[in-house]
Amino acid sequence: DIVMTQSPDSLAVSLGERATINCKSSQSVLYSSNNYNHLAWYQQKPGQPPKLLIYWASTRESGVPDRFSGSGSGTDFTLSITSLQAEDVAVYYCQQYYSFPPTFGQGTKVEL
Amino acid sequence: EVQLVESGGGVVRPGGSLRLSCAASGFTFDDYGMSWVRQAPGKGLEWVSGINWNGGSTGYADSVKGRFTISRDNAKNSLYLQMNSLRAEDTALYHCTRCRGGTCYNAFDIWGQGTMVSVSS
Repeated sequence: DIVMTQSPDSLAVSLGERATINCKSSQSVLYSSNNYNHLAWYQQKPGQPPKLLIYWASTRESGVPDRFSGSGSGTDFTLSITSLQAEDVAVYYCQQYYSFPPTFGQGTKVEL
Repeated sequence: EVQLVESGGGVVRPGGSLRLSCAASGFTFDDYGMSWVRQAPGKGLEWVSGINWNGGSTGYADSVKGRFTISRDNAKNSLYLQMNSLRAEDTALYHCTRCRGGTCYNAFDIWGQGTMVSVSS
């Protein structure tokens, strides 16, 4: 199984500041035939199910604010939240869908 | 509105069985692969099982292989998870999710609120 490791486990950010979350996979999730990274990011607020933010490592899901962006390739990925808003307080997960079973990172808690 | 609504959770003794259901609405169900993802209390996300658009291909996490069976009824827009030989470590909130395509080699773009399964003597 591909192991996904996020860092840090938690992060305190001031309103309006930038939050950066890292995700590392134990093997590459770049599919050579289509040159896509099979990597997604999710946001989970307390008491709610996860919400898809980013797929193919950098494609924003419809309706997701553009302060959320994803980058990286191969084994190293980053989710950036520019100008953090109060409603961005949540746990964020990365997930690979390159191979079965799909696996998630342990989560990163973003707090104010 | 695109929606997934789970049901069938509850409290069960170790070794018991439960059948979870997921009712889908607001989209063409048989265009999409579907999965179950669980979350133990206070813990992270764990993929449990997935099924492609026509039910012809299924997959399971090692932790549930041989005990759980995923199925779907496209005529009823429904997804199921038959859970047998339940263990304490299966205690979790079980989410029904839609895969962004006909198979689950893709992200999960729609999530249900979940149904809670508690395994306890």
